Amino acid sequence: AQSVTQLDSQVPVFEEAPVELRCNYSSSVSVYLFWYVQYPNQGLQLLLKYLSGSTLVKGINGFEAEFNKSQTSFHLRKPSVHISDTAEYFCAVSDLGTSGSRLTFGEGTQLTVNP
Amino acid sequence: GAVVSQHPSRVICKSGTSVKIECRSLDFQATTMFWYRQFPKQSLMLMATSNEGSKATYEQGVEKDKFLINHASLTLSTLTVTSAHPEDSSFYICSARDSKINTGELFFGEGSRLTVL
Repeated sequence: AQSVTQLDSQVPVFEEAPVELRCNYSSSVSVYLFWYVQYPNQGLQLLLKYLSGSTLVKGINGFEAEFNKSQTSFHLRKPSVHISDTAEYFCAVSDLGTSGSRLTFGEGTQLTVNP
Repeated sequence: GAVVSQHPSRVICKSGTSVKIECRSLDFQATTMFWYRQFPKQSLMLMATSNEGSKATYEQGVEKDKFLINHASLTLSTLTVTSAHPEDSSFYICSARDSKINTGELFFGEGSRLTVL
C-alpha cells in the first residue's frame, strides 16, 4: 500500500515571496510522483511529474520539485509566487504494484498568495 | 496534450431524479477511467474505477446501485446518480489514463457540480 502526506493544509504567502509545499510519501515499491493544481470549481491540472532520471523536475508556471528518495519526499517549490498561483495543490503517488498503477492523492494544500 | 472533457459542468436537479455525467477522452484511448467525489476543501475521494467493456470496480462504501457507471467505449465513461438526494450534492470529477502510457499519470476532466434540491 502507498500513502501520501501533505504536511501543510494551508500556506499563506505574500506575492513575489518564495514558497515550498511539502509532500512525503510511503511505498514498498518504486513510485512515480506527481503534483496537480486545482483552481476553484475546476478539475486537476498536472504541474509536473517525476518518473525517473534527474531528481529535480521542472513544471509549468515556474514550479519545480525535487525527488528525495532517502527522505521519501517530493516538495514543490516556486521562487516567486503570483496572485494567480492561489489554488489547491495535490501531491500524488503511483506505483506499478498490485494496485495497477493506481494514483493516491494527498489531502491537498491550499496556497493563498496575498498582495 | 491529452484532453478529458466532462459534461455537464453544472447541473441542478430535483430530489428523486437521475442525473448522468459524461467523461470523454478527446485525443486518446482510455481503457480505464476513474470517478471521484470531492467535498468542499477536501481531497478527491475515489468512488470507482471504470473499465472499458467490463463492470466497474467500486470503492468500499460506495453504493453501486446508486452510482451507475458505464464504460461502453474506449473514449467514454458515464456516471449516473440515480434517485438523487440532497446529500448527493457534490463536485464529481472524472479522470482517464492513456492506454499507451504506463506511469499512472491521469488526465482530469473539468468536474461537474451537482446540486440536488
